[in-house]
Amino acid sequence: DADVTQTPRNRITKTGKRIMLECSQTKGHDRMYWYRQDPGLGLRLIYYSFDVKDINKGEISDGYSVSRQAQAKFSLSLESAIPNQTALYFCATSDLLGLEQYFGPGTRLTVT
Amino acid sequence: KNEVEQSPQNLTAQEGEFITINCSYSVGISALHWLQQHPGGGIVSLFMLSSGKKKHGRLIATINIQEKHSSLHITASHPRDSAVYICAVLPGSARQLTFGSGTQLTVLP
Repeated sequence: DADVTQTPRNRITKTGKRIMLECSQTKGHDRMYWYRQDPGLGLRLIYYSFDVKDINKGEISDGYSVSRQAQAKFSLSLESAIPNQTALYFCATSDLLGLEQYFGPGTRLTVT
Repeated sequence: KNEVEQSPQNLTAQEGEFITINCSYSVGISALHWLQQHPGGGIVSLFMLSSGKKKHGRLIATINIQEKHSSLHITASHPRDSAVYICAVLPGSARQLTFGSGTQLTVLP
């Protein structure tokens, strides 16, 4: 089984809809991240969490919220989706020092 | 200006060629990662470097901390090496990675 899983893998939704992307990990890592990838821009950090009670905004958190339900689960929500949130979204985990990085398979989100 | 710059942005090579991808960064770091993203989208970590050189199969990664520069080399390139290669740094004072925009490598048979 994969170390980091994401659901759904693909999603098409309409402007204004609320959508949740889910991430689960079996690495036992405390640190989890949500990234967004757009062509030519590389990966950008949306939110990160260093434990269940420690959640922090990344560089592009506007329009997104997160929930860390357990050490193994970290969800990303788009409260009211807009077309420029169309992107590839990755969940990742790391060890305490950030020296080991594991990425989920990605969720391709299209907002029409 | 991005803290992490990769070059080239795109690279096309013939099978068997030696390939070099470069990464320069502007801040002090505690670690640098090279990542590979295949056309299907998944990202895997190839190397984590804090000094010197690492080798895994046909892949070699080097880092020069003083010059703030790292290179990823692929020897005897193969079409299956075609992917996006991403450099990411862990700044010394930061709690998360900063990413380069990636190098799209295409190896032709």
